[in-house]
Amino acid sequence: KNQVEQSPQSLIILEGKNCTLQCNYTVSPFSNLRWYKQDTGRGPVSLTIMTFSENTKSNGRYTATLDADTKQSSLHITASQLSDSASYICVVSSNTGFQKLVFGTGTRLLVSP
Amino acid sequence: SAVISQKPSRDICQRGTSLTIQCQVDSQVTMMFWYRQQPGQSLTLIATANQGSEATYESGFVIDKFPISRPNLTFSTLTVSNMSPEDSSIYLCSGGGGWNTEAFFGQGTRLTVV
Repeated sequence: KNQVEQSPQSLIILEGKNCTLQCNYTVSPFSNLRWYKQDTGRGPVSLTIMTFSENTKSNGRYTATLDADTKQSSLHITASQLSDSASYICVVSSNTGFQKLVFGTGTRLLVSP
Repeated sequence: SAVISQKPSRDICQRGTSLTIQCQVDSQVTMMFWYRQQPGQSLTLIATANQGSEATYESGFVIDKFPISRPNLTFSTLTVSNMSPEDSSIYLCSGGGGWNTEAFFGQGTRLTVV
């Protein structure tokens, strides 16, 4: 069964600190892995898309890693800001037909002043 | 990038009634999708909205309950029919996302059925 699991479920960090969110998946065949940020009451917004051949990808203070062999990904947030408080969703795309997206349950991050 | 406008942003509806949610994309997209998101849960795909043909529904979702229209490449609607409190959820539309491309989401419609 295609699944995406994220950890931790929730996380509280102090403003200015770094944090790393984890994503493990069993989706096959694999096409790409995406990280989304979802603010409360808003739709998800894309942070990165990583294909099989990409190990690391950065978007400002967000850096995603991908190990396609172990089927793991991480999202590292550097120098956190209050505006980083949101849910972060790992999404894996299956390479079948139009590419069905399999969503993780997300990590809810709270950055505290 | 594409901007997706979804409306209404929220609504409170009586059970037994129907609500139609509209999704407008500011550029043509081949693929459009409708999702449901329960509080604190992941997104669940309801159906793929196909332009000019019937939508493709996922297991557990049927056309009579969630009729979808897709008259062109920039617009789609989802109707939640004969609503019950169990239909209370956030409904999101999405465009794009095929073959390593960006998937864009509307801001969601928060539906409460009383």
